[in-house]
Amino acid sequence: GDSVTQMEGPVTLSEEAFLTINCTYTATGYPSLFWYVQYPGEGLQLLLKATKADDKGSNKGFEATYRKETTSFHLEKGSVQVSDSAVYFCALSDPTNTGNQFYFGTGTSLTVIP
Amino acid sequence: DTGVSQDPRHKITKRGQNVTFRCDPISEHNRLYWYRQTLGQGPEFLTYFQNEAQLEKSRLLSDRFSAERPKGSFSTLEIQRTEQGDSAMYLCASSSGQGSNQPQHFGDGTRLSIL
Repeated sequence: GDSVTQMEGPVTLSEEAFLTINCTYTATGYPSLFWYVQYPGEGLQLLLKATKADDKGSNKGFEATYRKETTSFHLEKGSVQVSDSAVYFCALSDPTNTGNQFYFGTGTSLTVIP
Repeated sequence: DTGVSQDPRHKITKRGQNVTFRCDPISEHNRLYWYRQTLGQGPEFLTYFQNEAQLEKSRLLSDRFSAERPKGSFSTLEIQRTEQGDSAMYLCASSSGQGSNQPQHFGDGTRLSIL
């Protein structure tokens, strides 16, 4: 079945440090891949997406590249800020599923300290 | 685009009571999803509507759970005879169009606490 595996947190970084959050997936078909961010007490916000192999999604300084050969979609940011502190979720949507429901990883909590 | 709206934000109830949550999706979105999120976990799919038709239900959706989307606009999720294990955040999401590449837009959720 479809699934997403994320690196476990929590992750604590100093401001301006480099961020990598690993995400790997298993899917029946050729999925679309997404990163969502969740701030305390709020719902999930779309951060970026990639819909086919070798696509790179990017937004607000975050990037992730769809790697079919390694079934990965790692999230990176060159210089994190305190305001990036949140929980990050990797997700996939598999076109072989009728409803295109999303499968989420367990989330990685990021804390950025000044 | 006013976003996905969920009501109430918080619900506290005693075990055995019934609760109902409402979701108003983004107006032009024909697809609506319900997810459940427990502490430290990612959202888990519960059910999906395309317009007014409920097309898929997860095995997580026990007989005590029912969802409706009567006019293809807002949706309700009802839990009957609530149990301690129902305590969670219930998230609603909506999307438009066809295909798996459409992002889902999430509401802020309804947090359910069972006493």
